[in-house]
Parts: sequence; structure tokens; C-alpha cells
Amino acid sequence: NFMLTQPHSVSESPGKTVTISCTRSSGSIADNYVQWYQQRPGSSPTNVIYEDNLRSSGVPDRFSGSIDRSSNSASLTISGLKPEDEADYYCQSYNSLNPSYVFGTGTKVTVL
Amino acid sequence: QVQLVESGGGVVQPGRSLRLSCVASGFIFSNYAMHWVRQAPGKGLEWVAVVSRDGNIKYYADYLEGRFTISRDSSKNTLYLQMNSLRPDDTAMYYCAGWYSDFDHWGQGTLVTVSS
Repeated sequence: NFMLTQPHSVSESPGKTVTISCTRSSGSIADNYVQWYQQRPGSSPTNVIYEDNLRSSGVPDRFSGSIDRSSNSASLTISGLKPEDEADYYCQSYNSLNPSYVFGTGTKVTVL
Repeated sequence: QVQLVESGGGVVQPGRSLRLSCVASGFIFSNYAMHWVRQAPGKGLEWVAVVSRDGNIKYYADYLEGRFTISRDSSKNTLYLQMNSLRPDDTAMYYCAGWYSDFDHWGQGTLVTVSS
């Protein structure tokens, strides 16, 4: 089974850009799609990116996703940071060798 | 609109059982595989189990060691999670969710507390 490791926290000022990494421990990041979820305090998770780089309905284009085979990682980039972007973010992918889903360790984004 | 409403959580003693339910509305329930995901207090998301659209295929997280059973009743648009031999580390918010491509919806969760 693989793990998805994210930085514990990132912080930046409003209007700036943050990038959250999600590194897969074994197997290729390209083997299975990566999804990204936003979870605000006291709320359920909501999808922001699906299938590596597609934005969910209603998600502003300030949010973008990508994968990098060389670092075996996925990334979520939030540009033009706004106070309402302050939340926990989780990556997620599927383990086809042992059918199951894996969530990343989670990253707390703080808007200074 | 899509709604997923969980119920059945509460405080239960270690070793006892509990059954969670999740009623779905606003979409064709039988068209989607459905999942349970949990989140311990102050911790991250942890996938629990998935059941296929027709209910015949089920996969579970390894750490469950066979204690939980996922099922669905499409005639009632309801997803279930039977949890047996509960342990204190099963204490968490339990979410039902359905996701496939651009379809991705979660309920508000139901809290399970395992404590003597």
C-alpha cells in the first residue's frame, strides 16, 4: 500500500500563491487519478480538483492541479489567495493493487 | 439537489455494535458506488469502505480487520455501515460519500464515540 504525504501547513498573504504537494510513496503518481478536497472548520470536505487537473463545478480558476512524474507527486496551486481559502486540503487517489482509496496526510492553509 | 444524510451515530461502549445509515436523494443512487470515510477528532480523512453500484462488490480498509460491513438498499436509497467490536480508536465523524469523475458529494457526517 502506498501513502500520500503532504506538508503539514503552509501560509501566505492574501493575493499571493501557495502550492501544496502530495507525494506518493510507491508506484507512479500517474497510475491513478488524484483528487483534491477542501475542508473548512466544522464542515464536510468538498472536491476542488478531480482527475488530476479538472476543477469541480463552481470552483474558481484560482485553483489548479497538476502531477509531476519526476517527483512522483501531485500539486494543488491556489493563486490570488483569499481569506476564504483558509482550510485543510487533502489529496486522494486510488490503490488499484489492493482496491482501496488513500487520502493524503492533509495540509492546513493559513491566509496571513 | 444532491443530499446525503447520515444517522445512527452516538456513544457506545467498547466491544459493542452500531449501524450507521445514509439516505440519498437528488440523484440516481443506483448509478454510483458509495463510500464511508471517517475523521477522528483533530485528525485527517481516512477511507473506510466502498460498495459497488449493484451492491455485489465491497472493499474495505485493511485496518478494519473484518469488523465493519458496508451494504446498500437501492429500493430505499440508503447506504449502511454495520460496525462490530467497536474500539476507542474507532471514535470519529463518519461521512458517507459518492464520487465518480465530476460527481462528488458528501454528507454532513454522524459522530461515533466509543467510550466506557
